[in-house]
Amino acid sequence: DVKVTQSSRYLVKRTGEKVFLECVQDMDHENMFWYRQDPGLGLRLIYFSYDVKMKEKGDIPEGYSVSREKKERFSLILESASTNQTSMYLCASSLGQGTSETQYFGPGTRLLVL
Amino acid sequence: RKEVEQDPGPFNVPEGATVAFNCTYSNSASQSFFWYRQDCRKEPKLLMSVYSSGNEDGRFTAQLNRASQYISLLIRDSKLSDSATYLCVVNVFNDYKLSFGAGTTVTVRA
Repeated sequence: DVKVTQSSRYLVKRTGEKVFLECVQDMDHENMFWYRQDPGLGLRLIYFSYDVKMKEKGDIPEGYSVSREKKERFSLILESASTNQTSMYLCASSLGQGTSETQYFGPGTRLLVL
Repeated sequence: RKEVEQDPGPFNVPEGATVAFNCTYSNSASQSFFWYRQDCRKEPKLLMSVYSSGNEDGRFTAQLNRASQYISLLIRDSKLSDSATYLCVVNVFNDYKLSFGAGTTVTVRA
């Protein structure tokens, strides 16, 4: 069974703080993704990575950065948290062999920025 | 125009009923289509892929209509455990990124 874990289920931060969200997958997947999910908007892709040290911007990268130093780990960084970054953050991974693949999601991190 | 659009519902149906809903996608050249299921406060999980000829998985049937650019999901003999949000997912530009609809909420009542 594929397992994707995220470092925190719930997080409360203050405006201007630097925030790190970590994601680890245990199935040697090539691709990893960070999404945010907001009511009525669905999942929106922030960044994804198709290999170690490789990253590509998704649809809403502003205010975020990512790091992938090891294959199994993909970190999302909010350099200076703002209240409009309050959201559910979901990490996902996929095998990397094609474009019709299943993405496996972690349990999500609910971030509240005060 | 959004890449993937869904009727948010909610669809409230009694146990044993049939419920069906659609989603539309923007790019006629899209090749890969999926339905994911998301339970309340949980992560999305793949329910089924959608193939050109349509496909069935138990009580769930998915159809693709390329001419009108929509996919559908039909649930027969609804169970209480089918209550969830169903996400329409399309590989709109045939790359590594998936586009997600906002979801259709289904509530099955006893």
